[in-house]
Amino acid sequence: AQKVTQAQTEISVVEKEDVTLDCVYETRDTTYYLFWYKQPPSGELVFLIRRNSFDEQNEISGRYSWNFQKSTSSFNFTITASQVVDSAVYFCALSEAEIYSSYKLIFGSGTRLLVRP
Amino acid sequence: EPEVTQTPSHQVTQMGQEVILRCVPISNHLYFYWYRQILGQKVEFLVSFYNNEISEKSEIFDDQFSVERPDGSNFTLKIRSTKLEDSAMYFCASSEIARETQYFGPGTRLLVL
Repeated sequence: AQKVTQAQTEISVVEKEDVTLDCVYETRDTTYYLFWYKQPPSGELVFLIRRNSFDEQNEISGRYSWNFQKSTSSFNFTITASQVVDSAVYFCALSEAEIYSSYKLIFGSGTRLLVRP
Repeated sequence: EPEVTQTPSHQVTQMGQEVILRCVPISNHLYFYWYRQILGQKVEFLVSFYNNEISEKSEIFDDQFSVERPDGSNFTLKIRSTKLEDSAMYFCASSEIARETQYFGPGTRLLVL
């Protein structure tokens, strides 16, 4: 069965610290997609990144980086030099790509990140 | 930049009343979704819609729920007879093709009293 686990419910850091948000997933499919979304206090869901299961290359975008490891079924997200504006709930999500799939997103329970000044 | 829009942003209704939540997906997108998020909880899939029909629905999406694309731009979620437990944030999302990224609207916060 498909499942996404974000074991860290809440993380609190001081500005400029690096922080890593963990995501572990379960799927039977060999083809799937992984996502991270940010939900700031205003409530909207902001897309951050999408990876497919065949692309294990790590990605860096400014202060954000993602580490995808199929061997451990993990897709972790690191924020370098965190800022107060990074305070939000971060969701990891999985989409399976089986034939006739609707590609619905299965979300983890989210990690609330609080960056203190 | 194109975006998904949703109306209303907030809705308060009495238990047993019907509500219609509206979404305008990104114009060239073909796949549409509804999700909900009960306060403080994870985002849950409700239904996906393609080519004017439901492609998948979750067990949450029971007979009280329906979706429609009444014209070329709107995508609606109707709850026929609301219950207290329907109180949640409802998100609409769309994607250009199925395997592409889903972009979310700002959500409609529904409160059932």
